[in-house]
Amino acid sequence: EIVLTQSPGTLSLSPGERATLSCRASQSLSFPYLAWYQQKPGQAPRLLIYGASSRPTGIPDRFTGSGSGTDFTLTIGRLEPEDFAVYYCQQYGGSPLTFGGGTRVEIK
Amino acid sequence: QVHLVQSGAEVKKPGATVKVSCKTSGYTFKGFFLHWLRQAPGQGPEWMGWINPETGDTNFAQKFQARVSMTADMSLTTGYMELTGLTSDDTALYYCAKDRVRLAAVGPSFTTGSSFDSWGQGTLVIVSS
Repeated sequence: EIVLTQSPGTLSLSPGERATLSCRASQSLSFPYLAWYQQKPGQAPRLLIYGASSRPTGIPDRFTGSGSGTDFTLTIGRLEPEDFAVYYCQQYGGSPLTFGGGTRVEIK
Repeated sequence: QVHLVQSGAEVKKPGATVKVSCKTSGYTFKGFFLHWLRQAPGQGPEWMGWINPETGDTNFAQKFQARVSMTADMSLTTGYMELTGLTSDDTALYYCAKDRVRLAAVGPSFTTGSSFDSWGQGTLVIVSS
């Protein structure tokens, strides 16, 4: 099973600041089969990034994914008030599909 | 517009079985894996498995292999997940989710699944004596 470790656990930032979230895999993903999700209280997760760096239609371009192998990053260019939430990475390079423990982005 | 609407909350006793439904619309039901995941309070999502609605093929996480079944009714474009032998550890919000990848675009080697681009609203299952 591929274990994903996200850091930091909590990120305290102000609106307008840049957020950098990390996701490390316990083994290399031979293809960039990594996704990022945003989850707000009482809501289902929302897909932000797939294939490590691709955005689905409708996702703002301030969300950027990068990385390969074992190290992946989600960058939020300038935080908007609606971006304060929990973010999860998920790998689909091997079964079972697994998620990281999440990073909470909170208002400083 | 894609919609996945799940059945309502359930309260079950230990040892019981729960069956959750997921009514889909807005896309070709048979064209995508339908996944089931769960999320315990304060935890990240946990993948349980997928079903190919057209063939009925399934792929389960080993953790749930002995206790879970997934079915799909093409005429109703609805998926179902049944979990047996419930314990308090099964208390969670259960989600169905649509796979992002169109099955017609990939070959038979595509058996893992990918990311989840549409989710149901979640079904709370509480297991308590």
